[in-house]
Formats: sequence, structure tokens, C-alpha cells
Amino acid sequence: TQLLEQSPQFLSIQEGENLTVYCNSSSVFSSLQWYRQEPGEGPVLLVTVVTGGEVKKLKRLTFQFGDARKDSSLHITAAQPGDTGLYLCAGFNYGGSQGNLIFGKGTKLSVKP
Amino acid sequence: DAGITQSPRHKVTETGTPVTLRCHQTENHRYMYWYRQDPGHGLRLIHYSYGVKDTDKGEVSDGYSVSRSKTEDFLLTLESATSSQTSVYFCATERGLSGANVLTFGAGSRLTVL
Repeated sequence: TQLLEQSPQFLSIQEGENLTVYCNSSSVFSSLQWYRQEPGEGPVLLVTVVTGGEVKKLKRLTFQFGDARKDSSLHITAAQPGDTGLYLCAGFNYGGSQGNLIFGKGTKLSVKP
Repeated sequence: DAGITQSPRHKVTETGTPVTLRCHQTENHRYMYWYRQDPGHGLRLIHYSYGVKDTDKGEVSDGYSVSRSKTEDFLLTLESATSSQTSVYFCATERGLSGANVLTFGAGSRLTVL
């Protein structure tokens, strides 16, 4: 069974601080996605990384896919209260059934003003 | 966005009663999914559909059934609800992006089984 481990589970920081969230697995994935979920809503896609070593930036968010495509990280620079939410990583593999997108359990981020 | 509507958004029911959750999409996406989200477990796939009348089981399918008679509608049924099925249920549709399977989620249906 493929597993995605996210760390930390919870993170509470002050506005302006930097943070990194990790998503690790012993399995190789074809691609990895990051979602953000706000209370009472469904997850919303932030980014997809496909190539080992790939780095993508979305304003103050930097996403990296590990060289071996087994892990990923999300770095937020100068966090703001609007960044508060649950961050989920999800790994996908081609082949087999369509329902093979594996989700991590998430990192709950709270950014205090 | 895929224009996904879930109904009902909130439901309280009693153990042993049948419950049906509806997911309606307006984007003509082929693939649709039902997930449940629970503290400590994250998102877990219940069932998914790859076309009209074509469905398959996910990781936690026991106690659930699904039906898809039209492209736009995907129904999740709990034949006899149990307290362990208290959860937040999310429907999702799939859009292709950069060769990866990317999901667009509905806002969720919170189900409480007493």
C-alpha cells in the first residue's frame, strides 16, 4: 500500500514567518499535487509537479518535487493570515485503476496576525 | 471550476436509515469520485466512476453503493447508516492537466449518524 506522510501535522506561526511542509513516501509517484482546504470547503488545487527535481513558484509559495519523485515540500515565505488552512499533498501513479490518487493526512496551518 | 454541487450540505440521521448524497456537475467531466474525510485519516476514496453506469470500488467502499445514470450526476448511498459513517463526504470530478489527474472538489456534505 502506498502511503504519503505529511509533516508537521499542525503548525501555528506568526505573520511574517517562513515555514516548510513536507510530504514523504517510500513509493515513486508519476506526479504530485498540493491542495489547500479552508474550513467548510473542499480542497482546491495549488500546483502539480511532474518532473523529478522540479520547482514551481506560486507567489510566496514554492513547491519542490524530489529528484527520486518520492517526496515533495511546500515552502511559504512571509506567511500571512490568508495562508491559514489545511494543506494536502496527493500522489498519482499511471497505470491500474483511475482511482489511484493517494492523499496525505494534511498539515493544518494557522497564521496569527 | 467544474461547477460541482453537493446536496444535502448537512444531514443528521439515525442508525439504520438509508441516506443518499447527490453530486451534480456541469462540466461534462467523465470521471467522478466520492471521498470521505475524517480527522486522523485524511481523504479516503469510497467509490469512483469512469462513465455512465461504470463505477468501481475505492479504499473504503464497504457499506456504500453508488450509481451514475447520467454524466452529470453521481449518487452515493448508505443503505443502512452506521455511526462509523459519520463524516464529511466530498465529491470530485477530474480534469486533465499536464498529464496528471487533477481533482476539482465540491464543498462537502456533512453527515451525522446518531
